[in-house]
Amino acid sequence: DQQVKQNSPSLSVQEGRISILNCDYTNSMFDYFLWYKKYPAEGPTFLISISSIKDKNEDGRFTVFLNKSAKHLSLHIVPSQPGDSAVYFCAASGNTGANNLFFGTGTRLTVIP
Amino acid sequence: KAGVTQTPRYLIKTRGQQVTLSCSPISGHRSVSWYQQTPGQGLQFLFEYFSETQRNKGNFPGRFSGRQFSNSRSEMNVSTLELGDSALYLCASSVGHRNSPLHFGNGTRLTVT
Repeated sequence: DQQVKQNSPSLSVQEGRISILNCDYTNSMFDYFLWYKKYPAEGPTFLISISSIKDKNEDGRFTVFLNKSAKHLSLHIVPSQPGDSAVYFCAASGNTGANNLFFGTGTRLTVIP
Repeated sequence: KAGVTQTPRYLIKTRGQQVTLSCSPISGHRSVSWYQQTPGQGLQFLFEYFSETQRNKGNFPGRFSGRQFSNSRSEMNVSTLELGDSALYLCASSVGHRNSPLHFGNGTRLTVT
């Protein structure tokens, strides 16, 4: 059973515009959320994270929003650049004290020049 | 500093065989986690090792096992390979504190024929 879901397998955005990637989760015990970016033939790289005590975290062009009541988070990239084209994975962890992440299936972002 | 190194990059095995994958973490990282990535399933947690001890285990059969050495290097073993074990196996290291970001290697692509 997929506890973290990314329902959009792909997204295309024009360069300079905003990219919004969405993620839903089902486990109310999750309290820490992360986004990873993955280029072909490379491992995922950490992008940004948010704790459940916050509803927003910003790092440069990347902002993650968390809506706990809806069990939903989103990643905003503004402005989008061609180098942002990659697969983006949403991940979540619970308060088990262990380093075990639950990942979504990924969204492939294509930024069109 | 050097990133997470996984060897080999590619492997082809036949059903029934066994395979060992290797992972060298970032220097100073004591936690090593293993994930399986298959199309449509995202990344699924296999297990985590910290200071040579398995700290957490995902929902995989006992054919999947691992170990960690005193220098934090880790190996993952899959016995009695099945066609469904064909996947990208990713290793990630971290300092080991809860929610410390995972740093992934580029993975080992295993094909079982």
